[in-house]
Amino acid sequence: GAGVSQSPSNKVTEKGKDVELRCDPISGHTALYWYRQSLGQGLEFLIYFQGNSAPDKSGLPSDRFSAERTGGSVSTLTIQRTQQEDSAVYLCASSLVGGWTGELFFGEGSRLTVL
Amino acid sequence: TQLLEQSPQFLSIQEGENLTVYCNSSSVFSSLQWYRQEPGEGPVLLVTVVTGGEVKKLKRLTFQFGDARKDSSLHITAAQPGDTGLYLCAGARGSTLGRLYFGRGTQLTVWP
Repeated sequence: GAGVSQSPSNKVTEKGKDVELRCDPISGHTALYWYRQSLGQGLEFLIYFQGNSAPDKSGLPSDRFSAERTGGSVSTLTIQRTQQEDSAVYLCASSLVGGWTGELFFGEGSRLTVL
Repeated sequence: TQLLEQSPQFLSIQEGENLTVYCNSSSVFSSLQWYRQEPGEGPVLLVTVVTGGEVKKLKRLTFQFGDARKDSSLHITAAQPGDTGLYLCAGARGSTLGRLYFGRGTQLTVWP
């Protein structure tokens, strides 16, 4: 498809388990972003990739969260030892170039529920 | 602490009414964007404003960036049910290239 693709769209897991969320950006987009959206909290920045490197990962809430991007394309967000407060919609976005005015194209998100 | 404060949080109006959504901060932004999000989907960009005092119009939507680049507003004229959605403002700061700071959003419902 032409848009940002995220998988899985829904994930229910038990507290303490690890989860992996995948993002396939628009082809040719060099910048990739992960945000988290909780009810009433807006979008919370997690990490930004430019190519395969992450110039800004200051938004990762704890060391249980990690992300990588390979080949300047697909990115994986991993949450280890999930907690109930990790429940949220995880949104991935890509843009043609990183920077102030680039349009972010968002995927539909991965809804994570931790029981 | 939210860098961008949006108000109101919820807005429920009848078709044909006008409305304004506000996005305020004590910080200066290099640019400001407005997105619209529908249930089950990701946000979609409506507009980007980069110059203090800038006004942009998109059909019935008017966007303004404050002179000091600390605030913005979205005005909708003659709202329609198709305008229903979550409106998010997002600001970029020159010191943090790539990262956008989002407000909590305004949930707009327009009744026929």
